[in-house]
Amino acid sequence: ILNVEQSPQSLHVQEGDSTNFTCSFPSSNFYALHWYRWETAKSPEALFVMTLNGDEKKKGRISATLNTKEGYSYLYIKGSQPEDSATYLCALLRYNQGGKLIFGQGTELSVKP
Amino acid sequence: DAGVTQSPTHLIKTRGQQVTLRCSPKSGHDTVSWYQQALGQGPQFIFQYYEEEERQRGNFPDRFSGHQFPNYSSELNVNALLLGDSALYLCASSLAERDTQYFGPGTRLTVL
Repeated sequence: ILNVEQSPQSLHVQEGDSTNFTCSFPSSNFYALHWYRWETAKSPEALFVMTLNGDEKKKGRISATLNTKEGYSYLYIKGSQPEDSATYLCALLRYNQGGKLIFGQGTELSVKP
Repeated sequence: DAGVTQSPTHLIKTRGQQVTLRCSPKSGHDTVSWYQQALGQGPQFIFQYYEEEERQRGNFPDRFSGHQFPNYSSELNVNALLLGDSALYLCASSLAERDTQYFGPGTRLTVL
């Protein structure tokens, strides 16, 4: 993998469903992986910064895991609510590229009541 | 505490013109990064400024230039605008080069 890739591109779920997305990235020169949530007409909001292989972070109903050796991260949302509707972006920081965040194209989540 | 602010919110220009976008970082942050988000894509890194110097640059032509002021605010300048420069331009600030970046709401630039 040369770029940061996210799947699926979009997801439509019912309120109460649990869901997960994938972020795949090149594992060489890994420094950190950031997850952002971006609601329409608002600023992207930082969710997690993940740095260590095997990291697992949690914020309320949202959690994320990291595998730096195989180059992927999962974001999980338990019991989705309509207010979870947003685009979820992952972004890679690499050792040799300073503060340059390399973003995936995002996963657009829509939660219907 | 005000977060990252950007101005203007929207801007319409014609091909060949020049544009300046402005960003004020979150209080206490001294590092500012700029990103371009074209429709259907993730944000693309343009450059990062720290101590009034460009520290890192993405794959953008020299038509894209920037500046950081002593109060850490920043400007993004784009010369000789092309239709393809139409995008959302995001500014982000952070405490350090690789620290969490906090984003502003963006400036929507339309080039006609």
